Order: sequence, then structure tokens, then C-alpha cells
Amino acid sequence: GAVVSQHPSWVICKSGTSVKIECRSLDFQATTMFWYRQFPKQSLMLMATSNEGSKATYEQGVEKDKFLINHASLTLSTLTVTSAHPEDSSFYICSAGGTGEAFFGQGTRLTVV
Amino acid sequence: GEDVEQSLFLSVREGDSSVINCTYTDSSSTYLYWYKQEPGAGLQLLTYIFSNMDMKQDQRLTVLLNKKDKHLSLRIADTQTGDSAIYFCAEMERGYQKVTFGIGTKLQVIP
Repeated sequence: GAVVSQHPSWVICKSGTSVKIECRSLDFQATTMFWYRQFPKQSLMLMATSNEGSKATYEQGVEKDKFLINHASLTLSTLTVTSAHPEDSSFYICSAGGTGEAFFGQGTRLTVV
Repeated sequence: GEDVEQSLFLSVREGDSSVINCTYTDSSSTYLYWYKQEPGAGLQLLTYIFSNMDMKQDQRLTVLLNKKDKHLSLRIADTQTGDSAIYFCAEMERGYQKVTFGIGTKLQVIP
């Protein structure tokens, strides 16, 4: 199946700093990618839809100024958590779709201290 | 909006069969998925079924779909300790690649 690579796998940052997470589709082009967040012992919740060459579409309740998404090419989307706070600590996962399937990255565990 | 529900926890003995159930609300779902998440790891696609199918079998895994009741199940035959993980049911709505997940069922396999 298709491969989606997410980097980094884990990151620890200080409160107030920004963190960038990359999501790459390695063997296919993805005009649309998705970013999910998983709180402890909860399901994955869609944060936003990343569209190549245009603005991302955010789900209700997700602060677009805090979670900046850039989808500059057909194989790369980035999520930047700006001015991170401890409550932003979570597991973030991206996905990209092939025909009828959704392929997920490995996920990034963000810990803000 | 779409909603996917599944039970939180299932415990089985090694060698027994496990059945994880899921219900969904979106009648326009095209694909229904089962993902496995091991501790600290990302999601692994186990199997998926098209909405026009009733059953799909893949080695130890059997997926049953009841479209009328919007009920999906995953049966794992001869469950092993390595099957211990959280299993997410998910659905993809027609014409769109957004996936809606259930809360995940934690499967505990007792040796």
C-alpha cells in the first residue's frame, strides 16, 4: 500500500515555542491531507483538511491561528503548533488518501513542558 | 453529522475468537475500516470493506457488514497476545476522504 511518512515521531518542547510536524506522501501525490489529534484514551478527532495550494479547512473548535497548516506541494503538508502550551500535548496523526483508502502516518507525540 | 460507536473494552483468552462490534450512522459511507493501534504507535490498517459487501475474510480476520442495521464487526480467530491493542472502527463518507473514527476498543488477550 501507499506510504505516508510523518516526522518527527516524538517531540518535547518548552511552553511558548512552536513545533512543526511534517507529513509526506512517499509514493503518491496527495491533493488533500488530513490532520487528526488524539487525546489520551479518546478517539482520533479530525482537526483540519489540508488542501494543496489553498487554505486549510478547519473543524469547528480548532484554532486556525494556533494550528497552522501549509500544503505547499502534492507530497508535503506541515502542521505548526504555535505558542505551544501543555494542553497541546497530544498525539497528532496525518493521513492522505488514495483511491478509497486512507493511509496514516506514524503519528507524532508532542509533549509541551 | 457522522457518528461511529464501539465498546471500550474486550477481554479474551489466548486461542479464543474475539469479536469487536461497531455501529455507524452515515448511510452514505463508502468504505468501512478497522485500524489497529499498538501502544505508542500510529495506526495500522488491518482491513476494510466496501459498503456493497457483506463479508470480507483475510486470514484470521473476518469483517461482517450489516448495512440495514449499520453494524460492522471484526472477528479475530485464534487470538494471540500480539493482538492486544486498541482497534478503531472508522468510516469514510462518499466522495470525500475524511475518515470518522470510533472511540476504539481495547482488546486484552489473556495468556
